[in-house]
Amino acid sequence: AQKVTQAQTEISVVEKEDVTLDCVYETRDTTYYLFWYKQPPSGELVFLIRRNSFDEQNEISGRYSWNFQKSTSSFNFTITASQVVDSAVYFCALSGYGQNFVFGPGTRLSVLP
Amino acid sequence: DSGVTQTPKHLITATGQRVTLRCSPRSGDLSVYWYQQSLDQGLQFLIQYYNGEERAKGNILERFSAQQFPDLHSELNLSSLELGDSALYFCASSVAEGLSGHEQYFGPGTRLTVT
Repeated sequence: AQKVTQAQTEISVVEKEDVTLDCVYETRDTTYYLFWYKQPPSGELVFLIRRNSFDEQNEISGRYSWNFQKSTSSFNFTITASQVVDSAVYFCALSGYGQNFVFGPGTRLSVLP
Repeated sequence: DSGVTQTPKHLITATGQRVTLRCSPRSGDLSVYWYQQSLDQGLQFLIQYYNGEERAKGNILERFSAQQFPDLHSELNLSSLELGDSALYFCASSVAEGLSGHEQYFGPGTRLTVT
């Protein structure tokens, strides 16, 4: 069975602080995909990143970076110099090859001015 | 704007009733996915269609069904509604045939309230 754990239910930071959102996954598949989505207060879901299980390179996109470590089954997301607009619920998700798409419970990030 | 449209935005209905939610994918996308987001269950994948055919099934109840039409729009039918079906239902679309090939673009969702 596949499972995604986001242990941090809520995080509050002050603007310009760096923050890391944790994601730990479980799967028996050798081929799988990991995702991060953002859900701002307006409610829509926004895709942030997709990573396949064979690509362990870390990725940076502006203030966002992702650290994928198969050894610890983790796919953590860091926001550098956080901004108020980063306030949202962030979901980590996992999909095995051809199988179900499983979301974590989400981490609510509040960035205070 | 993701390019995915969903109607209606809000729906209020009574227990035991049946409703239909509609989704139009982005131009060029052949896959449509349905998700349910509720306080109890969180975000759950329900079902995926690709070019009119069912491709993957998640935690979809037997009371729920979906289809994708030749013009690629999709409908999610929810019947014998229960209070616990109250949720935000998202549709997403993608160019990919599978669940994982490409990013999914989400619609604004339909908020269903069952009273």
